[in-house]
Amino acid sequence: NAGVTQTPKFQVLKTGQSMTLQCAQDMNHEYMSWYRQDPGMGLRLIHYSVGAGITDQGEVPNGYNVSRSTTEDFPLRLLSAAPSQTSVYFCASSYGTYRGRGTGELFFGEGSRLTVL
Amino acid sequence: TQLLEQSPQFLSIQEGENLTVYCNSSSVFSSLQWYRQEPGEGPVLLVTVVTGGEVKKLKRLTFQFGDARKDSSLHITAAQPGDTGLYLCADNTGANSKLTFGKGITLSVRP
Repeated sequence: NAGVTQTPKFQVLKTGQSMTLQCAQDMNHEYMSWYRQDPGMGLRLIHYSVGAGITDQGEVPNGYNVSRSTTEDFPLRLLSAAPSQTSVYFCASSYGTYRGRGTGELFFGEGSRLTVL
Repeated sequence: TQLLEQSPQFLSIQEGENLTVYCNSSSVFSSLQWYRQEPGEGPVLLVTVVTGGEVKKLKRLTFQFGDARKDSSLHITAAQPGDTGLYLCADNTGANSKLTFGKGITLSVRP
């Protein structure tokens, strides 16, 4: 029962470095998304995808890139890390709408804790 | 984008007490989800409410959706230490997995 798998769980970067957070799901979900969680700010949507080859921006996309070449994988790239990107990052997937409205249940990974020095 | 307000922000209670927490919006929800997040883990869905006035029960947790679909409450009866966590409400109005989350309510239940 893997569900949504994120790697790495912890990462420390220096300002200006680049890296990719990996996300994979084995539930054949069409919808995948990336959120960041900061103290007192809740979860904020970075990017999302409604299927392979389709991505779009969320609330806080600056400094991040995504691609969706397969249904299973949705990596998040930090192009030039900044201290403001220190956060916990969550990948989530969903099978679709709930009774035709909005989004069905989101299944989250365990998170990737990133520190940028 | 709807603004979600959750209250109270923090709550610390003794085991066995009852509590109610709230999620309010500036406009009408299409539907609303409640998640619970334990330390070091991702959020897990508790319930989705869709119909105004709807009440759903999950063991000791009772979720209510306001008649006007602009607010929701979560009531926990006889809280247990296992209920400790961050409770998040999420606006499910947006399409394509674009959930908007509130800032969450941190609940601590002391043995």
